[in-house]
Amino acid sequence: AQSVTQLDSQVPVFEEAPVELRCNYSSSVSVYLFWYVQYPNQGLQLLLKYLSGSTLVESINGFEAEFNKSQTSFHLRKPSVHISDTAEYFCAVSETDSWGKLQFGAGTQVVVTP
Amino acid sequence: GAGVSQSPSNKVTEKGKDVELRCDPISGHTALYWYRQSLGQGLEFLIYFQGNSAPDKSGLPSDRFSAERTGGSVSTLTIQRTQQEDSAVYLCASSPRTGAYTGELFFGEGSRLTVL
Repeated sequence: AQSVTQLDSQVPVFEEAPVELRCNYSSSVSVYLFWYVQYPNQGLQLLLKYLSGSTLVESINGFEAEFNKSQTSFHLRKPSVHISDTAEYFCAVSETDSWGKLQFGAGTQVVVTP
Repeated sequence: GAGVSQSPSNKVTEKGKDVELRCDPISGHTALYWYRQSLGQGLEFLIYFQGNSAPDKSGLPSDRFSAERTGGSVSTLTIQRTQQEDSAVYLCASSPRTGAYTGELFFGEGSRLTVL
């Protein structure tokens, strides 16, 4: 079985400032890693994923995450946030042979203020 | 519609009543998932359907919960004799599950269940 820990439940940040959301996982088998985002009053959307290959993955809206196997981490970063990045962010993990059966972290609420 | 559709969006019921929640996945998606999002437990996997295979029910919290998927498309999640701890947002997701694994689930907006 795997587990996911998101260390921060809420992160307030000023517009154009950087943000980092921390995610650590534990698993005895190989895993895939994901970040999903939930904007206010919307469903969950995939932000980015690590399946294999380069450990640094990027999204189209400027977020990036780095898979660190030795530290079992998959932290999410953005160098400069916008008001529109206000949302809840969920880190998730799945075993490599377990399609779509995700174990989610508790979520991190990001609130961007001017 | 292009996305995963869930109904009802909101449901208020009395303790002990049965409820049915419906999910209409994206056309052509063979895999369908139910998750539950609650304040105390976060996001939890409930059940997974893939094509004609037997569903993975390993996340269902009790035998009061059941789900079916008819014709490989629409799914219904049924909760019998509802309890207050069943109050949550029930999320449905689908994925194509063809070719290489992309890991992307497409989620609906959820059905918010309140048990009084």
